[in-house]
Amino acid sequence: EVQLVESGGGLVQPGGSLRLSCAASGFTFRTYWMSWVRQAPGKGLEWVANINQDGSEKYYVDSVEGRFTISRDNAENSLYLQMNSLRAEDTAMYYCVRVKWVSNAFDIWGQGTMVTVSS
Amino acid sequence: EIVLTQSPGTLSLSPGERATLSCRASQSVSSSYLTWYQQKPGQAPRLLIYGASSRATGIPDRFSGSGSGTDFILTISRLEPEDFAVYYCHQYGSSLWTFGQGTKVEIK
Repeated sequence: EVQLVESGGGLVQPGGSLRLSCAASGFTFRTYWMSWVRQAPGKGLEWVANINQDGSEKYYVDSVEGRFTISRDNAENSLYLQMNSLRAEDTAMYYCVRVKWVSNAFDIWGQGTMVTVSS
Repeated sequence: EIVLTQSPGTLSLSPGERATLSCRASQSVSSSYLTWYQQKPGQAPRLLIYGASSRATGIPDRFSGSGSGTDFILTISRLEPEDFAVYYCHQYGSSLWTFGQGTKVEIK
């Protein structure tokens, strides 16, 4: 079964850091682009970051550029999101997502991990 | 950055009715990269349509997508009870991905 399982969310103070992890299984992880997408409570979806198959290309939404870092470990079938200088507006459910070949659609989603930034 | 505007914000319909959801882009989008998702409360989004008109695996044929350029449509031909949800359009361009704000399809 193709599956993505996120972990690492929690409550953090403004200015703090958190590292999210995503464990992939059921498919050849190293051959796919991967992404993080977030959703603030009661709000819509926002793409956060993407990484290519070997980690040499990374893209970010402007609001997290310079604060968040996406990375991957193909030997461990894992995706990561290092989040620094966290702000209240970063509070959201964070989804790990697989990018479908050619169409760049997000075809497999994890169940999400909640990040709350609050003092 | 391409901005996607979905309309209407909320669509109130009865089971069995036809739903037509619009997604308008601020500039032309490649049809290859226009996608639709469904999200139910408490669940992760699910891929419905990719490449503007191709149904994802396991998606019933009552869901169809169409459009090109700046105007795209998601049609649900006959609403089933499980179709009441929020729908998002999504596009890729110039190494960036953006979502529309969503259309909620609710039971009338």
